Amino acid sequence: DAGVTQSPTHLIKTRGQHVTLRCSPISGHKSVSWYQQVLGQGPQFIFQYYEKEERGRGNFPDRFSARQFPNYSSELNVNALLLGDSALYLCASSPRTVQNIEAFFGQGTRLTVV
Amino acid sequence: AQSVTQLGSHVSVSEGALVLLRCNYSSSVPPYLFWYVQYPNQGLQLLLKYTTGATLVKGINGFEAEFKKSETSFHLTKPSAHMSDAAEYFCAVSGAGGTSYGKLTFGQGTILTVHP
Repeated sequence: DAGVTQSPTHLIKTRGQHVTLRCSPISGHKSVSWYQQVLGQGPQFIFQYYEKEERGRGNFPDRFSARQFPNYSSELNVNALLLGDSALYLCASSPRTVQNIEAFFGQGTRLTVV
Repeated sequence: AQSVTQLGSHVSVSEGALVLLRCNYSSSVPPYLFWYVQYPNQGLQLLLKYTTGATLVKGINGFEAEFKKSETSFHLTKPSAHMSDAAEYFCAVSGAGGTSYGKLTFGQGTILTVHP
């Protein structure tokens, strides 16, 4: 079975630009979450989507937005990039049932803002 | 609100020695607790999880952790370290309900070094 896939794996952008990161969850998983991991720190929660609805938002500015599509894949968009947005962006999918909220992570997208 | 504190950003052990990585959590709702491992330039892999039931949980690669509610701790142990265990380890908490359900709050991570 395919795991969580993220694209692209690496990305270099200039300050002020916009970026779109993509995530395909494990088949059957209806929940996708996004995390930002700055070098040397633990991942920080950005968004959670379940059944195409936003179910949680972390403490990130409005420059960050996301959506989930009918096939449960997801996009994370970041506008007006800042140097501080340089990080590993991780996507996680989960069945998010009462019995199982285990999150499975993708390999991440390494974003560098110059 | 939830938070996780991992005591010790770096832990160094000899191959064959006991591994002990410490994690304390704070949660206003019953917690679900997790340990993840991250190898360089990779995503996170789940080692083990506690949701309900037995407080001693066993995971992959010989790791185990014990949920101690009275101490708000979830320390990770392995009796005998292997060179391949060298990686960064993250403790995480999620609420068992409410708005924190399914949202992971991570600690700062502990880098484990294993010496020959």
